[in-house]
Amino acid sequence: DIQMTQSPASLSASLGETISIECRASEDIYSNLAWYQQKSGKSPQLLIYAANRLQDGVPSRFSGSGSGTQYSLKISGMQPEDEGDYFCLQGSKFPFTFGSGTKLEIK
Amino acid sequence: EVQLQQSGPEVGRPGSSVKISCKASGYTFTDYVMNWVKQSPGQGLEWIGWIDPEYGSTDYAEKFKKKATLTADTSSNTAYIQLSSLTSEDTATYFCARSRITTWVMDAWGQGASVTVSS
Repeated sequence: DIQMTQSPASLSASLGETISIECRASEDIYSNLAWYQQKSGKSPQLLIYAANRLQDGVPSRFSGSGSGTQYSLKISGMQPEDEGDYFCLQGSKFPFTFGSGTKLEIK
Repeated sequence: EVQLQQSGPEVGRPGSSVKISCKASGYTFTDYVMNWVKQSPGQGLEWIGWIDPEYGSTDYAEKFKKKATLTADTSSNTAYIQLSSLTSEDTATYFCARSRITTWVMDAWGQGASVTVSS
């Protein structure tokens, strides 16, 4: 199975700050990567797919980049509503596998 | 509006089975596959498998091949997951999530259904 190593496990950011979350795959996943946000007690919401494509309705402060085995999610200007858990998902090979998640909080 | 409405919380005894439903609305049910994902504090998020409702074809993660059975009823636009031979390791929240068969991306999720295994 493809292992997805996500970092950091937790992050505290000030309002307006720019943050990045990383996911490293154990092999090339050819940009078959998505990023999700999950708020407490809710279901995951798709933010980014195909490594860098913004899902409809997602604010433009979210962006994704990367290729091969290294990917990142950037939030340009932290907002209060961005608090939550973030995780990556690879869809290159069965079984699809998730990163371990990043808890993002307001400082 | 796309909605995936899952059934309520389940409590099962060790060794028994539970069945969770996921009713889809707001889109053509057979245009998408339905994934099932397990979320537990100890293991994080795990993909269980998916079903193509049009043909009934399935793919499972190896770990869940003997644990989960995925089915779908196109007459009611509902997908199901049955979990068998329950153990404490099955205590978790289970999500359904749709994706186009051509893109794999899960773009809409159910609200989750909790399963608690307890004697």
